[in-house]
Amino acid sequence: GQNIDQPTEMTATEGAIVQINCTYQTSGFNGLFWYQQHAGEAPTFLSYNVLDGLEEKGRFSSFLSRSKGYSYLLLKELQMKDSASYLCAVRDPLQAHAGNMLTFGGGTRLMVKP
Amino acid sequence: DAEITQSPRHKITETGRQVTLACHQTWNHNNMFWYRQDLGHGLRLIHYSYGVQDTNKGEVSDGYSVSRSNTEDLPLTLESAASSQTSVYFCASSEGRALYEQYFGPGTRLTVT
Repeated sequence: GQNIDQPTEMTATEGAIVQINCTYQTSGFNGLFWYQQHAGEAPTFLSYNVLDGLEEKGRFSSFLSRSKGYSYLLLKELQMKDSASYLCAVRDPLQAHAGNMLTFGGGTRLMVKP
Repeated sequence: DAEITQSPRHKITETGRQVTLACHQTWNHNNMFWYRQDLGHGLRLIHYSYGVQDTNKGEVSDGYSVSRSNTEDLPLTLESAASSQTSVYFCASSEGRALYEQYFGPGTRLTVT
């Protein structure tokens, strides 16, 4: 079956660095996505990892270890606008006929305080 | 600009009524998806489609149906609304196959009383 775990809530201070972890157990694996979702809004794409290692994109970085079933999203120089939920999602090609199926974790609600 | 829209944005209906939520995308994407989002459950897949006349059941498809008569639209129908279907519904679309992220619509908040 599918199991994707993230912490439910995290709090951090403006200007600091925060790491949001995601662990997964899936039948297959073909990529891990991170999405940002502000309250009352749609999720928006942040990053995609399919190979092990770190992908950096401005203040946000995402890391993947396929052997450990583990990813993290790193947010640097936190700003108040980074207060949002962060969703980890895994593409498992064995879940259905091949394509773009994603299974989402429950999301991590990040609160950034002054 | 290309976009994905949903309507209505808010809907209140009574138990037992049929409800249809609209989703329309102008990216010409083949893949379209319907999710529901509830506290404690994250996003769960209801139905999805990989092209015209193709529909497939997702994780929580009971009580829902979809049809795909053209590339742009994937309406979601609740055959007989139940209070357990009170949720926020998101439609999404994506291009082609493996490497492309999904783009989400703004969501529809449905309340079944």
